[in-house]
Amino acid sequence: ETGVTQTPRHLVMGMTNKKSLKCEQHLGHNAMYWYKQSAKKPLELMFVYNFKEQTENNSVPSRFSPECPNSSHLFLHLHTLQPEDSALYLCASSQVGGSSYEQYFGPGTRLTVT
Amino acid sequence: DAKTTQPPSMDCAEGRAANLPCNHSTISGNEYVYWYRQIHSQGPQYIIHGLKNNETNEMASLIITEDRKSSTLILPHATLRDTAVYYCIVRVRGSQGNLIFGKGTKLSVKP
Repeated sequence: ETGVTQTPRHLVMGMTNKKSLKCEQHLGHNAMYWYKQSAKKPLELMFVYNFKEQTENNSVPSRFSPECPNSSHLFLHLHTLQPEDSALYLCASSQVGGSSYEQYFGPGTRLTVT
Repeated sequence: DAKTTQPPSMDCAEGRAANLPCNHSTISGNEYVYWYRQIHSQGPQYIIHGLKNNETNEMASLIITEDRKSSTLILPHATLRDTAVYYCIVRVRGSQGNLIFGKGTKLSVKP
């Protein structure tokens, strides 16, 4: 238990569906991240939020839309996805500006696009 | 951030020490060495980090060479639950943003 929770853990959606992934951190951190891990590929950073402001968008297609309403919650809204978007989506948080900068990851959402 | 090189896979007998090497020959003076691991289909887990001194915590020990060009993560008594992909990452401490995960080392602990 890392203090970062993600829901749902598994999601199957069609290409025309709209769904959202949710992440919540209970660590009091001020930065949150979305990563994507496709099969047999390294983790790729998607988005970074620092104090609720998006500070990095790693050339992610617009069919992925992040939302960070406060420093504890992060969403990833999905629409008109492609089968190649099937992957493990990981959320992480860290404390930027404090004494410890390690990122703590949630368990991930396994997404399958049919 | 400096690049790292790790062997793709290693085996270790249960109960023995697992020594995972990492080369980071282009590391700069303000870059730390971080280790994470990822058990199958779970999120990565932070293990330990260090700058130049050896470090130890409840999970592992980190040995960094004097020239800081390489390091070794040591799991003193490996268990089957330590089977995972281990990532060595070099980055400036305090820098926000992405951890650049390479392919890591797949450690298989065998009974």
